[in-house]
Amino acid sequence: DAGVTQSPTHLIKTRGQQVTLRCSPISGHKSVSWYQQVLGQGPQFIFQYYEKEERGRGNFPDRFSARQFPNYSSELNVNALLLGDSALYLCASSPYRGINEQYFGPGTRLTVT
Amino acid sequence: DQQVKQNSPSLSVQEGRISILNCDYTNSMFDYFLWYKKYPAEGPTFLISISSIKDKNEDGRFTVFLNKSAKHLSLHIVPSQPGDSAVYFCAATSSGGYQKVTFGIGTKLQVIP
Repeated sequence: DAGVTQSPTHLIKTRGQQVTLRCSPISGHKSVSWYQQVLGQGPQFIFQYYEKEERGRGNFPDRFSARQFPNYSSELNVNALLLGDSALYLCASSPYRGINEQYFGPGTRLTVT
Repeated sequence: DQQVKQNSPSLSVQEGRISILNCDYTNSMFDYFLWYKKYPAEGPTFLISISSIKDKNEDGRFTVFLNKSAKHLSLHIVPSQPGDSAVYFCAATSSGGYQKVTFGIGTKLQVIP
């Protein structure tokens, strides 16, 4: 079975631009969460979506938004990019809404110049 | 504010010996704890978890111990193998109905053959 997939693998953007990252969960998984991992730090929670609705949000500005589609894939959008947005963006899926282990994709490496 | 702390950035252990990775947390609301392993260029992989109603959970070579009064948990790997060399993240969450997981900054384990 295919694991969590993310696209693109790498991305370079300029300050002020907008970016969209994509995630396809494991088949049958209805929950998708997004994390930001800055170099030298652990992943930091951004959003959780379950059944196409936002179920949780971390301490990120409104420049960050996301959505989940009927097939449970998800997009993360970041507007007005800042240099500090440079990070590895991880998507994780799980079958359920509540506490349980999550399955992570390989991530999208975003560099903002 | 680091709510999940992994104070050892790195650890080296001989193959066959025990690896002990430590983690401390400050948020009393955390009641479910997870360990993830991460290889370079891959997303984190779930390893083992423990609920706050337990003080020990085993899965093969991996055992997690939880000391709630000290707000401390540890991951024991016995025996350590070269393939265990990776970054290990301690993570915690609370039974809030969604998966806002707080990660530590990780400990890099090197198992020396």
